[in-house]
Amino acid sequence: GAGVSQSPRYKVAKRGQDVALRCDPISGHVSLFWYQQALGQGPEFLTYFQNEAQLDKSGLPSDRFFAERPEGSVSTLKIQRTQQEDSAVYLCASSRTSGGYNEQFFGPGTRLTVL
Amino acid sequence: GENVEQHPSTLSVQEGDSAVIKCTYSDSASNYFPWYKQELGKRPQLIIDIRSNVGEKKDQRIAVTLNKTAKHFSLHITETQPEDSAVYFCAASNTDSSYKLIFGSGTRLLVRP
Repeated sequence: GAGVSQSPRYKVAKRGQDVALRCDPISGHVSLFWYQQALGQGPEFLTYFQNEAQLDKSGLPSDRFFAERPEGSVSTLKIQRTQQEDSAVYLCASSRTSGGYNEQFFGPGTRLTVL
Repeated sequence: GENVEQHPSTLSVQEGDSAVIKCTYSDSASNYFPWYKQELGKRPQLIIDIRSNVGEKKDQRIAVTLNKTAKHFSLHITETQPEDSAVYFCAASNTDSSYKLIFGSGTRLLVRP
């Protein structure tokens, strides 16, 4: 079946612009995660959804970052007033249930470059 | 919070040799430890995982060991092949309180033909 998809794959923004990144999880997956991966580093947790509920947003670096999953499927990560330090690959992952021992399936990521 | 350290950052081996990557974690409550492989420009993919009630797990040429007392776990790849060349990430999670993965900084493995 289809895996996790993300769009756009690449995004270039001028500093100060707002951007919206989309994640389509595997159909039926309850849990959805957003991670930020800086160049040469491991992914860092941003936020977690169980269905439409955002249960953990402790990793969001500032109030410029906002995520939503209104119908418990597609999710959008929005970054307002982008800064150069926001440049990174943003990875979305989904897992089948809300249980802990479930593989997280990652999308291909959106590479954001802020000029 | 949890912190995961990973070593080495780069590893070069001859085809057919073994490769070992080591990780340590700080939170004794962590109970799930997956390993992901990420090829250049691609998504991370799970290659093996281990739960805290198990000391070792094998899957063909890949094995993972866990020492809960010392809070470290290792990935072992035997009979390495050029297609094993990639960046490998370890991760830890406390599934009782949160489902988020805390990743190490990655190991770039190069298998020389």
